[in-house]
Amino acid sequence: AQRVTQPEKLLSVFKGAPVELKCNYSYSGSPELFWYVQYSRQRLQLLLRHISRESIKGFTADLNKGETSFHLKKPFAQEEDSAMYYCALPRNTGANSKLTFGKGITLSVRP
Amino acid sequence: DAGITQSPRHKVTETGTPVTLRCHQTENHRYMYWYRQDPGHGLRLIHYSYGVKDTDKGEVSDGYSVSRSKTEDFLLTLESATSSQTSVYFCAISGGTGQGYTFGSGTRLTVV
Repeated sequence: AQRVTQPEKLLSVFKGAPVELKCNYSYSGSPELFWYVQYSRQRLQLLLRHISRESIKGFTADLNKGETSFHLKKPFAQEEDSAMYYCALPRNTGANSKLTFGKGITLSVRP
Repeated sequence: DAGITQSPRHKVTETGTPVTLRCHQTENHRYMYWYRQDPGHGLRLIHYSYGVKDTDKGEVSDGYSVSRSKTEDFLLTLESATSSQTSVYFCAISGGTGQGYTFGSGTRLTVV
């Protein structure tokens, strides 16, 4: 079964420090992976997806098929990056793209 | 505007009462989903729909039912609310594989 693992629940860093939020997956085939962000008491928002290879708000994520990872990175954290982050991938390869989410990680950026 | 709204935003209800949450979209997307968000569990899929009157169960569907009589509306009903259903409920819409989801603002439900 397709599975997403976010091994850490909390990451606390100082402003300006590098950030890496880990995501590992199990998937048969070529996965489509997403990162979502949820700021305090707000709706989840799509941060980025690997197929578009975008960089949003300074975040990037590279798919590593050898390590089955899709870690989210930012070289210099900002206080406004403090939020909950979820990694997600489709449950199957069909048109109905039900996403399965990791348990999420809270990023806290201290001044 | 994200094109998706949920109502109510907050609700407190008593154990044993039925509760219906509404999700409304203006994007004409085919796929709609209901998730619950709980600390330590992340987001778990309750039910989903891939068209009018086409729905199916997710991983935590016990105690919940859904209906979709129109493309724009997806209703989630708790048949007889229990304290374990206290949660934040999110609706999401999607145009298909690869497009990701757009989420609603969530409904915070407390069952006392």
